[in-house]
Amino acid sequence: NAGVTQTPKFRILKIGQSMTLQCTQDMNHNYMYWYRQDPGMGLKLIYYSVGAGITDKGEVPNGYNVSRSTTEDFPLRLELAAPSQTSVYFCASNNRDTGELFFGEGSRLTVL
Amino acid sequence: EDKVVQSPLSLVVHEGDTVTLNCSYEVTNFRSLLWYKQEKKAPTFLFMLTSSGIEKKSGRLSSILDKKELFSILNITATQTGDSAVYLCAPLGGTSYGKLTFGQGTILTVHP
Repeated sequence: NAGVTQTPKFRILKIGQSMTLQCTQDMNHNYMYWYRQDPGMGLKLIYYSVGAGITDKGEVPNGYNVSRSTTEDFPLRLELAAPSQTSVYFCASNNRDTGELFFGEGSRLTVL
Repeated sequence: EDKVVQSPLSLVVHEGDTVTLNCSYEVTNFRSLLWYKQEKKAPTFLFMLTSSGIEKKSGRLSSILDKKELFSILNITATQTGDSAVYLCAPLGGTSYGKLTFGQGTILTVHP
């Protein structure tokens, strides 16, 4: 039972590089989310999706893009990495009936 | 703009004490409010509250929602050192009813 799988777990980027954080869930959840968490801070919502083909901006969407072509996958793209994007990123999916949010293990991204 | 405010921001108690954590919110199209506990890694689910005035209980933890006054409280009785964590609340709402925005969290430290 895999749940929510995020890759990579760690990545170091140079300023201006691009990358994609992958997120896959096998629970057939419609709702999926990307959050970032800076040290000592709460979770900030970047983007979310309520189903395949539908995405919406969260609190801090600038510098990121997402797509949701299938129910299972919700990748997060960083186009021009900046030091301000150094953070831990969490992908999550939501069981709408119980409310429980299932998180991936997190991806630690450092931009130098 | 959606707003979630938790108080206090941090709390230090001794084992056996009872604590009350507060969460006030203003979100569009409110559906439910969720509580999470975060230790070293990703948050873990505690409660989902949908109806006003109905207490949810799990062991020493309980929570209640007031939809008229737009707040929720999380109570922990007979605290233990294992309760030390960050407690997060997150109202679910938004134009597509799928936006889950976290508060900044309350850091609870329980000393022996």
